[in-house]
Amino acid sequence: KAGVTQTPRYLIKTRGQQVTLSCSPISGHRSVSWYQQTPGQGLQFLFEYFSETQRNKGNFPGRFSGRQFSNSRSEMNVSTLELGDSALYLCASSLGGSFTEAFFGQGTRLTVV
Amino acid sequence: AQTVTQSQPEMSVQEAETVTLSCTYDTSESDYYLFWYKQPPSRQMILVIRQEAYKQQNATENRFSVNFQKAAKSFSLKISDSQLGDAAMYFCAYRGSGGAQKLVFGQGTRLTINP
Repeated sequence: KAGVTQTPRYLIKTRGQQVTLSCSPISGHRSVSWYQQTPGQGLQFLFEYFSETQRNKGNFPGRFSGRQFSNSRSEMNVSTLELGDSALYLCASSLGGSFTEAFFGQGTRLTVV
Repeated sequence: AQTVTQSQPEMSVQEAETVTLSCTYDTSESDYYLFWYKQPPSRQMILVIRQEAYKQQNATENRFSVNFQKAAKSFSLKISDSQLGDAAMYFCAYRGSGGAQKLVFGQGTRLTINP
C-alpha cells in the first residue's frame, strides 16, 4: 500500500512569488491535513480537508490556502511568499474518523530567498 | 486552546538502557487522544504509540510504553532496551475527540542513543 506522497520534495522560491505544494494521500483516506514545521515555531496546523471541504483551519494568514480534489489529493498554495515562509511543509492523511491515526508524508522543504 | 509541552529539548541514553520522555498537556475536554510521533533525519513523522483518554490502561507497543496520568495531564513515553535506530526527534501530540484531525504538537525532544 503506497504511503502519503508529497511533491516536490524541495523547492526554492523568491520573495513575492507564489507556490503550490501537492499531497497524495493513502488510497481510501478522505482526510488530508497540512502542517508547517520551523525551528522557531515547531509544528503548526495549517488546515484540514475532508471530502473536498475545509473542516478545520489554523491561525495562518489568508496567503495560505488549500483545496482537495474528488480523488482526495490536496494542494496547498502560498501567495506572496515571505522569507518567514521557509519551512518544512508536512501533509498527513487519515480515514477521518474518531479512532483513526494520521500518516505523514516526507514533506516539502520550501526555501524562500 | 489546547497546548502540549515537552520540557526536555534533548535527552541521551546508552544503548540497551531505558529512557523516559516527558509530556504535559492542557485541555478542558474530557475525551481526546494522545500520540507520540518519531521524526528521524528522513523527516517523515512515524506514529510510535497512541492513547485514548477514556482508557485507563497505559498503551504499550513492543519496547515503547506510556504512563498516562489523566488527572495530572501527563503523558510520558518510556523506551526500553534503547537501540541506535531509536535516535530521532520525538513529538508528543494531542487531538480532540470527534472526526477532526487537527493535531497539536509539543516542541519535541531530540533523543540521542550512545553506543
